Amino acid sequence: NAGVTQTPKFRILKIGQSMTLQCTQDMNHNYMYWYRQDPGMGLKLIYYSVGAGITDKGEVPNGYNVSRSTTEDFPLRLELAAPSQTSVYFCASSFNSYTFGSGTRLTVV
Amino acid sequence: AQSVTQLDSQVPVFEEAPVELRCNYSSSVSVYLFWYVQYPNQGLQLLLKYLSGSTLVKGINGFEAEFNKSQTSFHLRKPSVHISDTAEYFCAVSDRGNQFYFGTGTSLTVIP
Repeated sequence: NAGVTQTPKFRILKIGQSMTLQCTQDMNHNYMYWYRQDPGMGLKLIYYSVGAGITDKGEVPNGYNVSRSTTEDFPLRLELAAPSQTSVYFCASSFNSYTFGSGTRLTVV
Repeated sequence: AQSVTQLDSQVPVFEEAPVELRCNYSSSVSVYLFWYVQYPNQGLQLLLKYLSGSTLVKGINGFEAEFNKSQTSFHLRKPSVHISDTAEYFCAVSDRGNQFYFGTGTSLTVIP
């Protein structure tokens, strides 16, 4: 039982590049989330999904896009990466409580 | 929407001393309450949760928390900390939906 799996663990992007952060869960949870974590700022919700085909914006959605074609997968897309997107990104799924992935550390230079 | 306040951003404590990490939330409507722990360079792990029933909740690694509805608090306690408890601790609240609201975290440093 893998839980929530995120890839890659680390990535360095140049300004203006794009990339997709992958997230997969094997617990059949309907709810999935993307957060970013910046030092001293806690967790900020980027996007969330309540089930396949349904997504909605969180607190800080600008510069990101998501899709949810299956229950298992919830990829996060960064278009035109900016230094302000340097952060640690966590994917989570939930049923009464959250299960988090191990995170993706992204640096935009 | 809920808001969650963790009153202490950093808590240093000597090894084997007791510790309390404070958490208050904004609304008194029925809520679920959680504490998560994040060790360096890792994801968040569930420490304990309150869904209903006894207001004193016991979690992993000897931690416990008490739900106080009148004070809208959910403080985390441990009677004797170890070096291995050094980590970031996050309080979270759910209004019984599936959206969670997190505090900004408390960095616990255990001093040998």
